[in-house]
Amino acid sequence: DIQMTQSPASLSASVGDRVTITCRASQGISDYLAWYQQEPGKVPKLLIYEASTLQSGVPSRFSGSGSGTDFTLTISSLQPEDVATYYCQKYNSAPLTFGGGTKVEIK
Amino acid sequence: QVQLQQWGAGLLKPSETLSLTCGVSGGSFSGSYWSWIRQPPGKGLEWIGDINQSGTTNYSPSLKSRVTISRDMSKNQFSLKLTSVTAADTAVYFCARIRVTIFGGYYYGMDVWGQGTTVTVSS
Repeated sequence: DIQMTQSPASLSASVGDRVTITCRASQGISDYLAWYQQEPGKVPKLLIYEASTLQSGVPSRFSGSGSGTDFTLTISSLQPEDVATYYCQKYNSAPLTFGGGTKVEIK
Repeated sequence: QVQLQQWGAGLLKPSETLSLTCGVSGGSFSGSYWSWIRQPPGKGLEWIGDINQSGTTNYSPSLKSRVTISRDMSKNQFSLKLTSVTAADTAVYFCARIRVTIFGGYYYGMDVWGQGTTVTVSS
């Protein structure tokens, strides 16, 4: 089965900083990749699907890129409300594996 | 729009069977796979498995021997059973929707989630 590896596991950045999170698949998954945001104590929320398509209502400071095995989620200007854990997930075929998560905090 | 409401027992003893149900409202059961995901305390998300309207299921290889996902189309519900639970199964369990193409492939990601149910396994 394909494994999903995220890095870093956590990061701390200042408000306004550009933040980049990486997700790597152990085999190619084309662009069948989603990103989720989970604020503390909340239900995960879909941010991006098809690796780079922004879900309706998601702020434009979020963007995704990549294809095949290497993907990135970028927050162009970190805001206080972006404090959360971010997960990638492959959905080319079952099992729909999640990455281990990246916890984003404000410095 | 589609909403998911889930329920089930929150406290189990070791060796018992976990049973959760997720009700689908505001939309059709067709055109999607209906998933279960769990999150142990302080840890990440783990996909458990899913089911479509035809009853086709997919399961996590690590849980496959203990999991059964079923659906009741007449009630617009789908359910999770996990047998022989241990403390390691303590987690928040979520149900979610992932849409599929007309060819049956997943697409779009999990865009609708249930509210989550905390399940604790303790003697």
